[in-house]
Amino acid sequence: EAQVTQNPRYLITVTGKKLTVTCSQNMNHEYMSWYRQDPGLGLRQIYYSMNVEVTDKGDVPEGYKVSRKEKRNFPLILESPSPNQTSLYFCASSYVGSGNTEAFFGQGTRLTVV
Amino acid sequence: DAKTTQPPSMDCAEGRAANLPCNHSTISGNEYVYWYRQIHSQGPQYIIHGLKNNETNEMASLIITEDRKSSTLILPHATLRDTAVYYCIVRASTNAGNMLTFGGGTRLMVKP
Repeated sequence: EAQVTQNPRYLITVTGKKLTVTCSQNMNHEYMSWYRQDPGLGLRQIYYSMNVEVTDKGDVPEGYKVSRKEKRNFPLILESPSPNQTSLYFCASSYVGSGNTEAFFGQGTRLTVV
Repeated sequence: DAKTTQPPSMDCAEGRAANLPCNHSTISGNEYVYWYRQIHSQGPQYIIHGLKNNETNEMASLIITEDRKSSTLILPHATLRDTAVYYCIVRASTNAGNMLTFGGGTRLMVKP
């Protein structure tokens, strides 16, 4: 089954403690991205990757890092989480196309930073 | 990418057709119209997309006006499980970042 898998689904952590949210896809997609969703602000893109070792900033990259060492994986790293990073996070993947491609989303990671 | 305008909320009776409108009056020739939905904080789910012609799949139909300035997503027989936020997104074929810009969407409530 084609899917995007995120882990963990839920995470509560303390300010400043480094964490990684993993994302993996089994569709051989070149493109992967991370979004965060906050009430009243909708879904906003954090980082994206067009292929292995190619990453770029989205709309809200501050406080986040990503890496793309393998095509299937795109982890989101919070080196020093802060309470304003409490949010619902989604990973997505798709083929790199001409705009005529659908994106697949993971089931989400709900992060709380206290 | 062109901006879209959707009503914030709509109701629909179970079993009836749900018609969700979207205005994208500034759309340009190389931009596709996409529809996604999000059911209660789950990941957004792709529904359908089109460029000029009307499209239909197992989930829905997409009707795009001839001038392409607006479109309508039709769920032919809405069920309670179709209750969700529906997002209309316009994306250019040259969007190298493949980014989907989500607006506020339409919260569809299907009622028994």
